[in-house]
Amino acid sequence: KQEVTQIPAALSVPEGENLVLNCSFTDSAIYNLQWFRQDPGKGLTSLLLIQSSQREQTSGRLNASLDKSSGRSTLYIAASQPGDSATYLCAVRRENSGGSNYKLTFGKGTLLTVNP
Amino acid sequence: SAVISQKPSRDICQRGTSLTIQCQVDSQVTMMFWYRQQPGQSLTLIATANQGSEATYESGFVIDKFPISRPNLTFSTLTVSNMSPEDSSIYLCSVGLLTDTQYFGPGTRLTVL
Repeated sequence: KQEVTQIPAALSVPEGENLVLNCSFTDSAIYNLQWFRQDPGKGLTSLLLIQSSQREQTSGRLNASLDKSSGRSTLYIAASQPGDSATYLCAVRRENSGGSNYKLTFGKGTLLTVNP
Repeated sequence: SAVISQKPSRDICQRGTSLTIQCQVDSQVTMMFWYRQQPGQSLTLIATANQGSEATYESGFVIDKFPISRPNLTFSTLTVSNMSPEDSSIYLCSVGLLTDTQYFGPGTRLTVL
């Protein structure tokens, strides 16, 4: 059974700081890994998707890396801003096994607070 | 990308009643998913809803408790039946596109008294 762990559970940083969020998963047979952002009381916003064959993806100030063999991913946020304050969720999708399998297994998330 | 809307956005219900949550997508999709996020917990997949067939439920979830409809390629409903306080959660609808990215609706925050 796939288990996804995110460390730290909460993080508070001053504005402008670079930071790293960590995600680990127990079963390396994944199809892809996706990072989401969730604002309080809201749904999820997709940030980055990394396919299992990729090592990293970048979007603006965000960079996500994937080390499939070791079961780890990191989300790097550069020059953090108060607007980045949210919960960041990591989710993995397992490999297709002869058919469509879109189930995502989520971590519990990292609550990020960026202080002005 | 996909734009997903859900109704209602939130509700407070009495124990023993049922609530039907609607999910509308702005494009046709084959597969729609329903997730639950209990307070302080991660998201858990309830079921996968395919148009024209019975929904596929994950372990721990049953059709009698969470009946799902999928009448067409842009719409689905999830009913939470015979509710108890333990059903208080955020319920989210999701779709997967050919890009492999999954998109989520804004969620329905349910409180059961």
